[in-house]
Amino acid sequence: DQQVKQNSPSLSVQEGRISILNCDYTNSMFDYFLWYKKYPAEGPTFLISISSIKDKNEDGRFTVFLNKSAKHLSLHIVPSQPGDSAVYFCAARVTSGTYKYIFGTGTRLKVLA
Amino acid sequence: GAVVSQHPSWVICKSGTSVKIECRSLDFQATTMFWYRQFPKQSLMLMATSNEGSKATYEQGVEKDKFLINHASLTLSTLTVTSAHPEDSSFYICSARDLRNTEAFFGQGTRLTVV
Repeated sequence: DQQVKQNSPSLSVQEGRISILNCDYTNSMFDYFLWYKKYPAEGPTFLISISSIKDKNEDGRFTVFLNKSAKHLSLHIVPSQPGDSAVYFCAARVTSGTYKYIFGTGTRLKVLA
Repeated sequence: GAVVSQHPSWVICKSGTSVKIECRSLDFQATTMFWYRQFPKQSLMLMATSNEGSKATYEQGVEKDKFLINHASLTLSTLTVTSAHPEDSSFYICSARDLRNTEAFFGQGTRLTVV
């Protein structure tokens, strides 16, 4: 049962344009959502997070939007740069006795120069 | 962000032997550590969660006798793959969090190849 889903396995965007990565979830008990960036053979790097009580969080070129009614979140990167090319994972945190982070399947972003 | 160091970054072992992977939080006290496994082109699958000084909580389908997790201190957790077999070959990643942060920080990962 995939509680966090990223339905687009890959995305290509022209340099300077906006990249939009999407994520859907099923568990209403998630209290935080996070985005991580990952290069091959490396561990994920934290990018940005959002509390379930908010609908937007912005950090530089990265903005995360949360739509609780639709159980959907998205990461916007603008302007996109070639160095942003990586796999992006959406993750959700659930707190039930202890914390647990559940990851989506990832979206490979390729920013074309 | 905080630094999590994982060692070794890659290891090749013979079938039937055991392999230990270390995960250290370098500049914070990790109250909780997580171990993940990633298959090629797939998501990070949570294997277990451990809190310092207590037994790890394993996810459904993960053999606790095969994947031994020890979280003896606030800065160190180890994963031992016992009697490794080729199907255990994978990319193992640890992560850690402390009480101050929402996010978990990840180690560099360990590529295990069992031959």
